[in-house]
Amino acid sequence: EAQVTQNPRYLITVTGKKLTVTCSQNMNHEYMSWYRQDPGLGLRQIYYSMNVEVTDKGDVPEGYKVSRKEKRNFPLILESPSPNQTSLYFCASSSGTAYNEQFFGPGTRLTVL
Amino acid sequence: AQSVTQLDSQVPVFEEAPVELRCNYSSSVSVYLFWYVQYPNQGLQLLLKYLSGSTLVKGINGFEAEFNKSQTSFHLRKPSVHISDTAEYFCAVSDRGTGRRALTFGSGTRLQVQP
Repeated sequence: EAQVTQNPRYLITVTGKKLTVTCSQNMNHEYMSWYRQDPGLGLRQIYYSMNVEVTDKGDVPEGYKVSRKEKRNFPLILESPSPNQTSLYFCASSSGTAYNEQFFGPGTRLTVL
Repeated sequence: AQSVTQLDSQVPVFEEAPVELRCNYSSSVSVYLFWYVQYPNQGLQLLLKYLSGSTLVKGINGFEAEFNKSQTSFHLRKPSVHISDTAEYFCAVSDRGTGRRALTFGSGTRLQVQP
């Protein structure tokens, strides 16, 4: 089954404790992206990757890092989480076709105390 | 830069009634247009997309949307809703280039179908 998976689905942590949210897709997609969803704001892009070893900032990159060492994986790293990073996070992937239909993971709900 | 405005944050409607969820966008370049649905505690699922051609686009679950270039709108419609359509709906746009390919989302419309 074609899918995007994220782990963990739920995470409660404390300020300053480094964490990683994993994302993996099995569709051989070149493009992957991270979004955060906050009430009343819709989804906003954090980082994206056009292919292996190619990453760039989205609209709200501050406080986040990413890496793309393999085509299928695109982890999101919070090196020193803060309460304003409490949010619902979605990973998405897309093929190299021009029209950018993105497939989303199930989401990770992160709470930073 | 692009922006998307969803004019209604919540839309209550009775079962079997028609519904329209409104979406307007702003962009200096040509865009692709999408509607996504998010059921409670789930990820986003693509409902339909407009790429080119016919301005009336049909999607899954009986939904359709009409692209109006002059009004920069992409409203979503369903002639008869079911309880199972209760969800949050997001309109999104993407520029037609091959660069960042970010989807710009509206703030969402919560559709509440009542019996």
